[in-house]
Order: sequence, then structure tokens, then C-alpha cells
Amino acid sequence: TQLLEQSPQFLSIQEGENLTVYCNSSSVFSSLQWYRQEPGEGPVLLVTVVTGGEVKKLKRLTFQFGDARKDSSLHITAAQPGDTGLYLCAGGRQGAQKLVFGQGTRLTINP
Amino acid sequence: NAGVMQNPRHLVRRRGQEARLRCSPMKGHSHVYWYRQLPEEGLKFMVYLQKENIIDESGMPKERFSAEFPKEGPSILRIQQVVRGDSAAYFCASSPGRGGSYEQYFGPGTRLTVT
Repeated sequence: TQLLEQSPQFLSIQEGENLTVYCNSSSVFSSLQWYRQEPGEGPVLLVTVVTGGEVKKLKRLTFQFGDARKDSSLHITAAQPGDTGLYLCAGGRQGAQKLVFGQGTRLTINP
Repeated sequence: NAGVMQNPRHLVRRRGQEARLRCSPMKGHSHVYWYRQLPEEGLKFMVYLQKENIIDESGMPKERFSAEFPKEGPSILRIQQVVRGDSAAYFCASSPGRGGSYEQYFGPGTRLTVT
């Protein structure tokens, strides 16, 4: 059972375009993290959101946690080739330290 | 390098051999987690340990897999009598464990290939 569904699974766009990646669940999470993973490397933490409705910005990246804490989105403005990678969302539940990961969105930005 | 360290980065084992994967958490972190990633998939939780204690092993296969985090030294994930289906990337993460921190920081992973 996939508790976190990411969409789209694959996305290929041109440099300069905007994009949004979604992470959805029927379950409530206490926190949600977004990671980016390069080939052959481990996931690198981008952001953690813990409050329903929370919005965090990291340069051209905007992360939002849904009001009900069941979903999240990652929006990239003016995508650059350096944004290429696998983006993973991961949810944490109250009282449980383990993270539940989505299957990832593989993003390719073409020059 | 103050990050999470894993070794080896690549490990090749024949079917039936044992695999030992090591993880040194970030300085000051006392909580360690192991995850497994199959090709083109997300990460799946295996086990969560604190020093000398297994806290949650709900994701560990019942046989052949074990993990430890001794008082001194790195955390070890041990796979006995490996089979081809064990081929995957194994990632270790660590967290401070204080104040309910949810943030986990990952190492570079060990890529296990079973031939």
C-alpha cells in the first residue's frame, strides 16, 4: 500500500518553465519533508513543513503543506537544468520516527 | 566531513554470502534509521535504532536481516545468506532525537549487488 502518492512520476520540461509536483495521501501526517536525490547519492533534505497551510520558500522553490496535513506540493519557478533530479516527499507520524516515502518524481529540465 | 557516513559505497556479494553495511551518524545524532531503495522506487523504512536499542524494526524482513547500533562504533546492517532480491541501495539516516525533531539526514548509501 502506497501511503504517499506523488504525481507526476516523470516530468520533462524546458528551461525557464514553471512546474508543480504533488504529494497526496488519505492519511494525516505530523510533518512532511521534501528531499532531492541525485543518481548514485543519498536524498538531500530540502525542507520540512509541520503546520497545516504552511508555506516555505527556498529560492525558486515553494513548498506548501495542505490545511488538513494530508498533502503537499512543490512548485518550481523558472526551472533550470540544475533542478534536474528525483524529488521525494516523506511523511512522519506523531509518535513514530520512521518516514513514509512517496515513489518520487523524476524531473528533467532541458536546456 | 560532518555528514552521515556509509561504507562501503558499493558491495558485491555472491548468493549465500553475508553482507555487512556500516553507518556512522552525524556528530551529535543518537538516532539511526535504515531504508532500502529498489530501482526507480522510493525508500522503504527498515529499522530505527538508538544506542544499544532497536526501537522499531517493523520494516525488517523476518529472516536473514539484523541491525545493531552498539555503544561504541557505527551502526551495522547485516544480511545473511544474500539472495538476488536483496540487490538494492541501502541508506542510513540520522537525527538528533531531541525536541521531537522530524528531520532525518541521509548518507550516500551502499549499493549492494548480489550475483
